[in-house]
Amino acid sequence: EPEVTQTPSHQVTQMGQEVILRCVPISNHLYFYWYRQILGQKVEFLVSFYNNEISEKSEIFDDQFSVERPDGSNFTLKIRSTKLEDSAMYFCASSEAGRIINNSPLHFGNGTRLTVT
Amino acid sequence: DAKTTQPPSMDCAEGRAANLPCNHSTISGNEYVYWYRQIHSQGPQYIIHGLKNNETNEMASLIITEDRKSSTLILPHATLRDTAVYYCIVRVGGGGADGLTFGKGTHLIIQP
Repeated sequence: EPEVTQTPSHQVTQMGQEVILRCVPISNHLYFYWYRQILGQKVEFLVSFYNNEISEKSEIFDDQFSVERPDGSNFTLKIRSTKLEDSAMYFCASSEAGRIINNSPLHFGNGTRLTVT
Repeated sequence: DAKTTQPPSMDCAEGRAANLPCNHSTISGNEYVYWYRQIHSQGPQYIIHGLKNNETNEMASLIITEDRKSSTLILPHATLRDTAVYYCIVRVGGGGADGLTFGKGTHLIIQP
């Protein structure tokens, strides 16, 4: 069964450094998402992306975050200057057709654990 | 915030049916009910979704009340691997991308 893959599985970085988290969505999917989960807390929506632009973003997704689909297969989340509070699991998800066709479900990857020291 | 209410935890014996309730009394006519689960900090796993009718797939059954104000996810023969946090989520239908809003879910523990 096709799946969303994320790399790396664990990333350690120093405060103030830039990180790029990578995701390969399911190949025929058109909608892409990033979520995060701070240890012991809820899964939180960050951003959704369709047709090479951001569709929706949450309050968490401020100017230090950006997303890109550089080559038609990868979907990346960049954090420009990491803070200690950015330490979390970051999950990528994709959906075949968003809400348009039978409300297509999101399929999630297994995440990247980001540790900011 | 999430528009659903779920018990924080439940136990179920291995081999028995696990019935997980969810209240969504303010659900709108075009909102779908989704169920996901998360096993020990892995990514959320899609289980099933529905609008009005009951649904069944290889993982579970979803029973939605006639007034749509509540639903039950049924795992017919629970195994130890079904121990996870189960999330009930309502999601608007229609066009455009959107983000699912996760609540705290129900921590289901399958007992041997």
